[in-house]
Amino acid sequence: AQTVTQSQPEMSVQEAETVTLSCTYDTSESNYYLFWYKQPPSRQMILVIRQEAYKQQNATENRFSVNFQKAAKSFSLKISDSQLGDTAMYFCAFMNQGGSEKLVFGKGTKLTVNP
Amino acid sequence: EPEVTQTPSHQVTQMGQEVILRCVPISNHLYFYWYRQILGQKVEFLVSFYNNEISEKSEIFDDQFSVERPDGSNFTLKIRSTKLEDSAMYFCASRRESRETQYFGPGTRLLVL
Repeated sequence: AQTVTQSQPEMSVQEAETVTLSCTYDTSESNYYLFWYKQPPSRQMILVIRQEAYKQQNATENRFSVNFQKAAKSFSLKISDSQLGDTAMYFCAFMNQGGSEKLVFGKGTKLTVNP
Repeated sequence: EPEVTQTPSHQVTQMGQEVILRCVPISNHLYFYWYRQILGQKVEFLVSFYNNEISEKSEIFDDQFSVERPDGSNFTLKIRSTKLEDSAMYFCASRRESRETQYFGPGTRLLVL
């Protein structure tokens, strides 16, 4: 079974600075997808970014980018120019290709952006 | 932009009562999911549904749970006899095709007293 580990329960960053959230995963599969979801205090789950394992290029979405290291099974999220609205729980998630393609989540990292 | 909707947003019920949580997935989506998040914990998979049948269920999804797609738009989760430990946020998610991203609804906060 796949597992996802987020080793940082909480992090904080000053507004406008850069922060990196860590995620590692364990799988024996070769075709899979990785995601970062954001959960603000409203508890809505919002997709931040997605990475296909077969792609070597790291995904980028505006201020959000990932560092995907397939051999190390590492998938970190970098937030540049942090904004107060980035304050949220961030969940790393794994999806195996094939079957039900359910998401397997990590325990989350609570990020606080300070003014 | 189309989105997944869920009703009710909050539900309070007595232990032993039945509850039905409702979801309207994005209209052209074919794959449907329920997840659960107990307060302060991670999001856990409950069940996936495709082509009018369950494709996978977790060990949490016991005989007290059932899912249904009663018409072309709704996707429901029924808990037949609620327990205190069923108190959680329940998320519905959907996606259009295999390998595509799942989009989540805003969740239903269930409190069992």
